[in-house]
Amino acid sequence: EPEVTQTPSHQVTQMGQEVILRCVPISNHLYFYWYRQILGQKVEFLVSFYNNEISEKSEIFDDQFSVERPDGSNFTLKIRSTKLEDSAMYFCASRDRGITGELFFGEGSRLTVL
Amino acid sequence: DQQVKQNSPSLSVQEGRISILNCDYTNSMFDYFLWYKKYPAEGPTFLISISSIKDKNEDGRFTVFLNKSAKHLSLHIVPSQPGDSAVYFCAASVVNRDDKIIFGKGTRLHILP
Repeated sequence: EPEVTQTPSHQVTQMGQEVILRCVPISNHLYFYWYRQILGQKVEFLVSFYNNEISEKSEIFDDQFSVERPDGSNFTLKIRSTKLEDSAMYFCASRDRGITGELFFGEGSRLTVL
Repeated sequence: DQQVKQNSPSLSVQEGRISILNCDYTNSMFDYFLWYKKYPAEGPTFLISISSIKDKNEDGRFTVFLNKSAKHLSLHIVPSQPGDSAVYFCAASVVNRDDKIIFGKGTRLHILP
């Protein structure tokens, strides 16, 4: 069964460092997303991406965040200068054109900022 | 602004009995609702969905009910099984308008032996 894969599974970084989280969405999917979940809290929408551009982003997704689909298979989330409050589980998700709202999630990348 | 609310952080149900998870929403524009299940150290997995044109959708042991006038939906699991122990997220979207799905905070379901 096709799946969304994410790397790394866990990254520890110092505050102020840049972090790149990588995702390989399901191959025939067209819509890509990043969500995050701070420990014990809800799953929060960060950004959606379609047709090589951001289609929506939340208030969380400020200038420190960027996304890219560099080669037609990977979908990356970059945090330019990490803050302590960026510590969370980051989930990548994708969906097909025709399937309403049914996102397929990866297993997540845990980011710990020290 | 919590557009999707799950007011019960946790719920314990005896194995074999019915589990009922509740969800309320505030945005009347939402027209598609989903339930996701999440095990520890895994991403959420899609469980069942319902369009606002329906009031019930059933898939095996899982049934979702939608009450639009009350802006309320519920997920019924019957009979509950040990493998159903997980966190359940209610989610909502506006189809063909907003390209995002809004999640609630989740309800942790414990199935007791």
